[in-house]
Amino acid sequence: LAKTTQPISMDSYEGQEVNITCSHNNIATNDYITWYQQFPSQGPRFIIQGYKTKVTNEVASLFIPADRKSSTLSLPRVSLSDTAVYYCLVYSGNTGKLIFGQGTTLQVKP
Amino acid sequence: DTGVSQNPRHKITKRGQNVTFRCDPISEHNRLYWYRQTLGQGPEFLTYFQNEAQLEKSRLLSDRFSAERPKGSFSTLEIQRTEQGDSAMYLCASSSITEQGLSGYTFGSGTRLTVV
Repeated sequence: LAKTTQPISMDSYEGQEVNITCSHNNIATNDYITWYQQFPSQGPRFIIQGYKTKVTNEVASLFIPADRKSSTLSLPRVSLSDTAVYYCLVYSGNTGKLIFGQGTTLQVKP
Repeated sequence: DTGVSQNPRHKITKRGQNVTFRCDPISEHNRLYWYRQTLGQGPEFLTYFQNEAQLEKSRLLSDRFSAERPKGSFSTLEIQRTEQGDSAMYLCASSSITEQGLSGYTFGSGTRLTVV
């Protein structure tokens, strides 16, 4: 499974757009890119998933360049409640085994 | 359906005792996964089932750990002769696998195990 690399931590302020970039240089043809959010003492919660180009849902956008070696999660107008750990994962659509890294701890300040 | 349910939410046990956790997946999901998470780390994959068949086990899953999924519905994870190093959050997730691939990957809230 492709290993992912993302910043350990990021700070932002309420109302700002936050972009978290993840690199996955060894991504395979059949792999998908997915992002999860986790609050303390809770399980990870699915945010968004994509294969290539751009995906947008009600909470985030995911930008994937043509070579798929990186991806960027974009959170528009963050609020204090977006303070959490964000995980970038690459997984095979066949097995579904997710390999988590340490994630990015996002701290949103007032 | 209320999502993936895990019980108990918290468990404190003495070293050497056996513990069992239960996971009830989303009813239409045929895949069920167990993960373990320690403080400050991301979840680590332990094992997964497709229906009642256990398809993969991580090397993290020592002989003291056993997981079952009878009848392809709920699953149990048992730890025998617990050690302090087993203290962690144990997470369950479920998903569907179809011809179109994986979908609906959902985690439960976890069971927090403390071994004293």
